[in-house]
Order: sequence, then structure tokens, then C-alpha cells
Amino acid sequence: AQSVTQLDSHVSVSEGTPVLLRCNYSSSYSPSLFWYVQHPNKGLQLLLKYTSAATLVKGINGFEAEFKKSETSFHLTKPSAHMSDAAEYFCVVSAVRAGTASKLTFGTGTRLQVTL
Amino acid sequence: DGGITQSPKYLFRKEGQNVTLSCEQNLNHDAMYWYRQDPGQGLRLIYYSQIVNDFQKGDIAEGYSVSREKKESFPLTVTSAQKNPTAFYLCASSIGLINTGELFFGEGSRLTVL
Repeated sequence: AQSVTQLDSHVSVSEGTPVLLRCNYSSSYSPSLFWYVQHPNKGLQLLLKYTSAATLVKGINGFEAEFKKSETSFHLTKPSAHMSDAAEYFCVVSAVRAGTASKLTFGTGTRLQVTL
Repeated sequence: DGGITQSPKYLFRKEGQNVTLSCEQNLNHDAMYWYRQDPGQGLRLIYYSQIVNDFQKGDIAEGYSVSREKKESFPLTVTSAQKNPTAFYLCASSIGLINTGELFFGEGSRLTVL
């Protein structure tokens, strides 16, 4: 079984200030973790992914996330928010049991608002 | 440009009618997926297909049907048996098994039942 919890449904930051979107996961197997971004009425786009290599993962548009096994967390950060970062962000976990197809489990999303 | 095309973008349906949402990809991906998105919820998997002429139910398949006659196409039919069909529907594809890499999404189809 696997699950993912996004701790904040809505985050508001000022332009130029840091962004922190929090994600905790649970998994019976070694997980792969992803962050996706969705702009209004659009599909999702992959920001970054962790697949058991380096624990600090860098993605597009200046975002990065750190996999912390001891805390079962995969928080998304960005040093300086831009107005174009305003969107909904989804944390996703995929855990594989040998010999079976994997399954993605999506969090409920965090809406990021960026103000002037 | 390669990508996934969903149509129509907006669709209105009367209760009791079946509707079909189109999904076409030119990425040469083997796997395709349909997700449903409701406000305040994550995406939920309806159906997925890893090869032509084969597909599997996801978590919420009741009231939906799919076909995969061609690699490029994976249409979704929302039947009258679906009790609450108003939602945003997203089609996605991947090179192979979804744990190996990213999903590529279309821009979605918003279905409203009147």
C-alpha cells in the first residue's frame, strides 16, 4: 500500500520570497517520487523526479526537492518565487513490488499563490 | 510537435447520454491512461492500456469504457451508468511502465452534465 499527503492545500508567498510545498509519503516498497505542476485548465507537467539516485533532485524552473527517508518526506522548494509559478502542484508516489506493474498515487494538490 | 491531443476541450451532456472523449498521441508511447480530476482531490485512475487491444481497469472504472485499437488512440466513453460524471478528464501516456519515467498529459476535457 502507498499513500501521499500534501500538508497544505493552499500556500501564498510574495514574489521573490522562498517557496516550500510539503509532501509526506508512505510506501511498502522503495518509492519513486514525483512533483507535477498544473496551470489552470491545463494538463500536468513533470517538475522533477526521485528514483533512488541522489536525494537532492533538481527540476525545471529552479525547483528542487529533497528525499528524506527517515522523515518520509519529499518537500518541494524554490529560492525565489515568480509570478509564473502560481499553479497547482501535485506530489506523486510510485512504489514497485517485483513482478508487478507499478501504480501512481497522487496527492490532493497544493495551490500556490504568488503576490506582488 | 509531439504530444497528446484531447478533444473536445469542453463538453456538455444531458443525463442518460453516453459521451466519448478523444485522446490521440504522436509520441510513439506504448502506455496510455485516463484520469479523472475533481476539485480538491488528486487524480484518480480510470483505465490504462500498455499495448494495443489490451487495457485494465483502474481505481474508478465503473461507468466508463475504453478501447485501444491503435497505438496512437485511446478514447474514453462515459456511459449513463456513471452516476457523477461531471469532472475534468485527463489523458496521459508514457514510454512503458509508469514507474520508469514521467507521464505526458494532454490538456484535458471538461465534462459537465446538465
